[in-house]
Formats: sequence, structure tokens, C-alpha cells
Amino acid sequence: NAGVTQTPKFQVLKTGQSMTLQCAQDMNHNSMYWYRQDPGMGLRLIYYSASEGTTDKGEVPNGYNVSRLNKREFSLRLESAAPSQTSVYFCASTSSGGSFFEQFFGPGTRLTVL
Amino acid sequence: GENVEQHPSTLSVQEGDSAVIKCTYSDSASNYFPWYKQELGKRPQLIIDIRSNVGEKKDQRIAVTLNKTAKHFSLHITETQPEDSAVYFCAARGPYNQGGKLIFGQGTELSVKP
Repeated sequence: NAGVTQTPKFQVLKTGQSMTLQCAQDMNHNSMYWYRQDPGMGLRLIYYSASEGTTDKGEVPNGYNVSRLNKREFSLRLESAAPSQTSVYFCASTSSGGSFFEQFFGPGTRLTVL
Repeated sequence: GENVEQHPSTLSVQEGDSAVIKCTYSDSASNYFPWYKQELGKRPQLIIDIRSNVGEKKDQRIAVTLNKTAKHFSLHITETQPEDSAVYFCAARGPYNQGGKLIFGQGTELSVKP
């Protein structure tokens, strides 16, 4: 099992450019999440998908869109990147059934917007 | 919505001493409280968690306590070692109808001096 994978690992964008961050999990998890991590701010939830076919806003959704492509894949899109979106982005997944709650994280994408 | 406060933001201890990190949460419906450890440049990884129906849980040198009445929970690390140096995050999970999302504290940077 690869667990949760993310691409790319690093990306540099110019202000106004667009890009999509990809995330996939092979653990048959129902729920998937996108976080951003900034120094001193912890992990802040951008969007989440409780199950295939549903998406909801988290704490900091402005400037982002998401797509739950299928049960395995959950992508995050920046339509017009801004320097304030410079951050490390983590995708995570969890099984939403039963009593198993652990969220598993991907390796992260380090994004710099110039 | 849920809010999680974590203290202290930095903690420095001598090898062999104990370390305590404290978190408070705002939503009394929260039912799951994990702790994650994040080493520099790596993804967060679960080290211990506790459910709302349990007051204390221990795993070797780490333990977590939960006080539901006061809405706070704490991480205790005994006999600290240099490899415990990392950033630690607490989190609180809301009811399932909120998609199982986690709200994280701001993080504590623990430094264990040899």
C-alpha cells in the first residue's frame, strides 16, 4: 500500500497562474481532506469530502476549488494563485465507517507563489 | 464552529525530563482527540488518540488525559529523548455529520536537549 500520495512535491507559480494539486489514496477510505500549513498557524482545513460525490468548505476555502474525482482521488485547484497561498499543502484521508478515526496524511506539496 | 487552543507554542526540556502540552476545545460535541507528531519536512503522524468516553490513555512513554467537563486534554511525554524533538499538534473531531473533520491546534515545538 502506498497510503496517501500527492503530486507534485514542489511547485513555484507566478501570481495569477493556475494549478491543480493531486491526491490519491489506496486504503479504500471514504473521507478525504485538504489542509494548508503555515508557520505558527497549525493545519487549517481548506475543503473536505465526507464521501464520494460530496464536498464541503473548511476553515479557509477562499481562492480554492476541489473535485472528488472518484473514491480514490481528491484534487485541489488554485484558479488564480496569490502570494498569500504560499504554503505547504497536505492531503489526508480516513475511513468514515465504524470507530476507526485516524487521518492519514500525504507527504505534502510545497507551493511558492511569486 | 470548533476552535482548538494549544499551549505552549514552544517547549524546551532536558533529556530525561517530562513534557506536558495542553489543549482546550470549544465544541462539547467533539468526540475524538488525536495527537500528531511532525518532524521537520515530514508529514504529521498519529502518536496517540483518545475517545470522549475515556479519561486517560497510555502508550509506553506517552499518555493523554481528557477532562470533558473542562473541555481540555493534555499530552504527557515522560523520560524525553532527543528523538522526541518535533512539532506536536492536538486536534478535535466533531460529530460524524460534520464529515469527521479535524480542527487542529497551532502546534508546540518541543526541543529536547541532550
